[in-house]
Amino acid sequence: ETGVTQSPTHLIKTRGQQVTLRCSSQSGHNTVSWYQQALGQGPQFIFQYYREEENGRGNFPPRFSGLQFPNYSSELNVNALELDDSALYLCASSLVSSGGAAQYFGPGTRLTVL
Amino acid sequence: AQSVTQPDIHITVSEGASLELRCNYSYGATPYLFWYVQSPGQGLQLLLKYFSGDTLVQGIKGFEAEFKRSQSSFNLRKPSVHWSDAAEYFCAVGAHPGGSYIPTFGRGTSLIVHP
Repeated sequence: ETGVTQSPTHLIKTRGQQVTLRCSSQSGHNTVSWYQQALGQGPQFIFQYYREEENGRGNFPPRFSGLQFPNYSSELNVNALELDDSALYLCASSLVSSGGAAQYFGPGTRLTVL
Repeated sequence: AQSVTQPDIHITVSEGASLELRCNYSYGATPYLFWYVQSPGQGLQLLLKYFSGDTLVQGIKGFEAEFKRSQSSFNLRKPSVHWSDAAEYFCAVGAHPGGSYIPTFGRGTSLIVHP
């Protein structure tokens, strides 16, 4: 069984640029969630995708967008990067989209915005 | 809106000592509750979860947690800590307020283990 993988591991961008982060869900999982984890903080929910549709969104602006593909892999896109976007971005997959579903996390992508 | 409070930013224990990490939540109904652990440079790993039923939940690595509705708490415990338990611990609540899935994590408690 393959776990959740994310790419790239690290990324450095400059303010105003755009970035795409990628995630491959654990085998058999149809739901993926994205989180932003600033240094010293807990993960903050960005959004969730279930069967290629957005299924919930946290308090993040529209410049944070996502996609989920038929094979349940996923992308997080961030436009017009700001310095405060520097964080660890975590992807998590789960079997179902309910609030009680256990989530399996990838190792994250460390984004630095200069 | 739901919220999670982990009142202790850091906890220091000696190896072999017992451990209790505190978690308080705010939610209108019975929530789904989770504890995750994050080692440096790693993603989060699920330790245990509570949905309903027995209020004492057993997890991996010898951890357990007790749900106390009257205190809105879900504290994590371990009878004897090992040096490898040093990590960041996150309590989380998962719910469906208003039909949208919004999971909420606490800010975490950093566990330091002294030899």
